[in-house]
Amino acid sequence: DVKVTQSSRYLVKRTGEKVFLECVQDMDHENMFWYRQDPGLGLRLIYFSYDVKMKEKGDIPEGYSVSREKKERFSLILESASTNQTSMYLCASSLTGGLAFFGQGTRLTVV
Amino acid sequence: GENVEQHPSTLSVQEGDSAVIKCTYSDSASNYFPWYKQELGKGPQLIIDIRSNVGEKKDQRIAVTLNKTAKHFSLHITETQPEDSAVYFCAATPGTYKYIFGTGTRLKVLA
Repeated sequence: DVKVTQSSRYLVKRTGEKVFLECVQDMDHENMFWYRQDPGLGLRLIYFSYDVKMKEKGDIPEGYSVSREKKERFSLILESASTNQTSMYLCASSLTGGLAFFGQGTRLTVV
Repeated sequence: GENVEQHPSTLSVQEGDSAVIKCTYSDSASNYFPWYKQELGKGPQLIIDIRSNVGEKKDQRIAVTLNKTAKHFSLHITETQPEDSAVYFCAATPGTYKYIFGTGTRLKVLA
């Protein structure tokens, strides 16, 4: 069974904290993605990676960075969390041209 | 820029009736169109997909149609059941890294 696993289901962090969201996939996919999901806005792409150590900005990269040191792991980093980063964060992976598999999501609340 | 419009944003149907969700895409290079179902508290799960060389695809109570000329594709659910209640997302991709998602449709099936 294919699997994309996000390290936390729920997180509560304070404003200004550095936050790490981790994602691991076991399908040997070259592409990995981080999306943010907000009511009425659908899924918005933050960053994606098409290979180890490679990353590309998505539509809303401001305030975020990413790290892909190994093929199976893609981390999203909030350098200094702010309340407007409270959201549901979804990780996904895919083969190029293939369908994307999603993790279960991390609901982050910044207080 | 590239976008996918999805309608309606909410849809309520009586159990046993049919539900139709429509999407329109802008990038004529798009050639793969997956549909995802997201239940409360979970990540999106693929339910059906279609490629641009096919006009229609069916899987039990779910079908997807594609009109490449008009850049429209639709999800049809027949004989709806309460467990079909969820948020549904369409997406379009030109077969590269990038998926463009619709804003989602919240389907409620009333028992």
